[in-house]
Amino acid sequence: GDSVTQMEGPVTLSEEAFLTINCTYTATGYPSLFWYVQYPGEGLQLLLKATKADDKGSNKGFEATYRKETTSFHLEKGSVQVSDSAVYFCALVGQGGSEKLVFGKGTKLTVNP
Amino acid sequence: DAGVIQSPRHEVTEMGQEVTLRCKPISGHNSLFWYRQTMMRGLELLIYFNNNVPIDDSGMPEDRFSAKMPNASFSTLKIQPSEPRDSAVYFCASTNRDSSFGNFFGQGTRLTVV
Repeated sequence: GDSVTQMEGPVTLSEEAFLTINCTYTATGYPSLFWYVQYPGEGLQLLLKATKADDKGSNKGFEATYRKETTSFHLEKGSVQVSDSAVYFCALVGQGGSEKLVFGKGTKLTVNP
Repeated sequence: DAGVIQSPRHEVTEMGQEVTLRCKPISGHNSLFWYRQTMMRGLELLIYFNNNVPIDDSGMPEDRFSAKMPNASFSTLKIQPSEPRDSAVYFCASTNRDSSFGNFFGQGTRLTVV
């Protein structure tokens, strides 16, 4: 079945450092790919998405590119802030309008001032 | 838009008691999802509805769990009887059309069963 693998955390960075959180997936065809963010005590929020190969999703300085050849969707940000401290989840929806999201286990990011 | 509204935000109950969690999806969304989040198992999909009809309940852990969606603006997740291992954060999410448009999550209900 479909699955998502994220790099294990926690990840601790200093403010203004470069961030990469790796995400790879297993799915047939062309799934849609997502990054969600969960701030402490809150629900998940959609951060960005990409629905076809080579698409780049971006939001709030975060970016991720849908790489079909490497089945990857790595999350990057050039300069993190303390306010980016959260748990980040990579997820996919199977091709064809499936309704079920498949989530990775999440990566906790802590940014220190 | 008020977003997905869940109640209560926190629930503490004694083992053996019935617990009912409530969710109001975003108006116009036709799919609704119940998730459970724990440190050990991460985020698990319990059940989802489309147009008020349960489509996949394979994630419901056992018969003690049941979910209903009597109309497009309300859903409940019930646990009867509750057990300490049910302690978790339960999230409701909704979307329109299909999930390639993203799921919109509520703030969750933190359930503690003592």
